[in-house]
Amino acid sequence: AQKVTQAQTEISVVEKEDVTLDCVYETRDTTYYLFWYKQPPSGELVFLIRRNSFDEQNEISGRYSWNFQKSTSSFNFTITASQVVDSAVYFCALSANTGNQFYFGTGTSLTVIP
Amino acid sequence: GAVVSQHPSRVICKSGTSVKIECRSLDFQATTMFWYRQFPKQSLMLMATSNEGSKATYEQGVEKDKFLINHASLTLSTLTVTSAHPEDSSFYICSARDVPSGVYWKETQYFGPGTRLLVL
Repeated sequence: AQKVTQAQTEISVVEKEDVTLDCVYETRDTTYYLFWYKQPPSGELVFLIRRNSFDEQNEISGRYSWNFQKSTSSFNFTITASQVVDSAVYFCALSANTGNQFYFGTGTSLTVIP
Repeated sequence: GAVVSQHPSRVICKSGTSVKIECRSLDFQATTMFWYRQFPKQSLMLMATSNEGSKATYEQGVEKDKFLINHASLTLSTLTVTSAHPEDSSFYICSARDVPSGVYWKETQYFGPGTRLLVL
């Protein structure tokens, strides 16, 4: 069975602080993909990153970075120097392959206070 | 990149009426599309998988006679909520599977912008 757990329901930080959003997943597949999406109030899902199970390299994109640890089945997301525009709900998702259904976590609502 | 559109973006209807939501892949052909539902402050839950030219596969607990899915072409899937009731009010999001040039290791999935349904 596939499952994604985002234990943090809501997080509030003051602008310019760093924040890490946690994601833990469960799967029996040896090949799988992990995703992070941002959902602003408009509702549209904004793709942030895709990672396949064979690539454990951490990735940095501007203020965003991701830490993929297969040993702990975690795929955490860090925003450095947070900004008000980062306020949104962030979803971590798992898929057996990119063309299959996604299993979403329950989301973490991030509020960045100016 | 590939784009998926949904129409309408927002709809308000009276209880008992039917509502049709369209999901289109704009610059690629999608043999498979997925329909998700998201209630306020909750996660996205898969409702059904729509395959072009065949019947949709529904997840457990989703009434197939209430949520009619038609995937008549490689670029269009429709979800019809029949006899809608207030409890059907939700955010409906579709996604479409793109297999560039038939190369399966390149396949990816794109999400539409969603449709907000409010049933009064």
